[in-house]
Amino acid sequence: SQQGEEDPQALSIQEGENATMNCSYKTSINNLQWYRQNSGRGLVHLILIRSNEREKHSGRLRVTLDTSKKSSSLLITASRAADTASYFCAGGYFGNEKLTFGTGTRLTIIP
Amino acid sequence: SAVISQKPSRDICQRGTSLTIQCQVDSQVTMMFWYRQQPGQSLTLIATANQGSEATYESGFVIDKFPISRPNLTFSTLTVSNMSPEDSSIYLCSARQGMNTEAFFGQGTRLTVV
Repeated sequence: SQQGEEDPQALSIQEGENATMNCSYKTSINNLQWYRQNSGRGLVHLILIRSNEREKHSGRLRVTLDTSKKSSSLLITASRAADTASYFCAGGYFGNEKLTFGTGTRLTIIP
Repeated sequence: SAVISQKPSRDICQRGTSLTIQCQVDSQVTMMFWYRQQPGQSLTLIATANQGSEATYESGFVIDKFPISRPNLTFSTLTVSNMSPEDSSIYLCSARQGMNTEAFFGQGTRLTVV
């Protein structure tokens, strides 16, 4: 299976703190994407980082990619209660149009 | 971007029956996919819906159980056939424009089989 592993599985932090989630994958990727899911609903795309990129920012989000370690991290700065959700990484592989999702991190922001 | 309408949003079905889930995209898309998600778990790809041809199924999923149609570039259906309680799950439709692009998702169909 190409499914990635995410850690931690669950994370609870105080509002205003930073949250970091990690994703490891098994085979070489074309791109790595991060998604958010609220309460079992549809997923919302957060950020896409290509295999030749090392870091990407979008608002309070910062994603890094280390292809030598086959890992990525998602940092959410100055967390808010509305950030409470499950976060998934997903790998896009060369010559393959489908995405393979990681195991997910359940993030809880405590007001 | 693309907006995906998926229906029904939820259903409770009797075992042995079938349910067809519809997925409508507001623009033409190259790729459409169907995922299954057990409560608290990650997404598992069921199949890639191919326009005008048979869907491509992942290991563990077969056409007789999950027939899929994709008559055009904006619409697809997934049928869950001869349902059992083990089919209780969230089913998600997704669409992409290319391999190096983001995916868009419908709001999911929460299926309970009794």
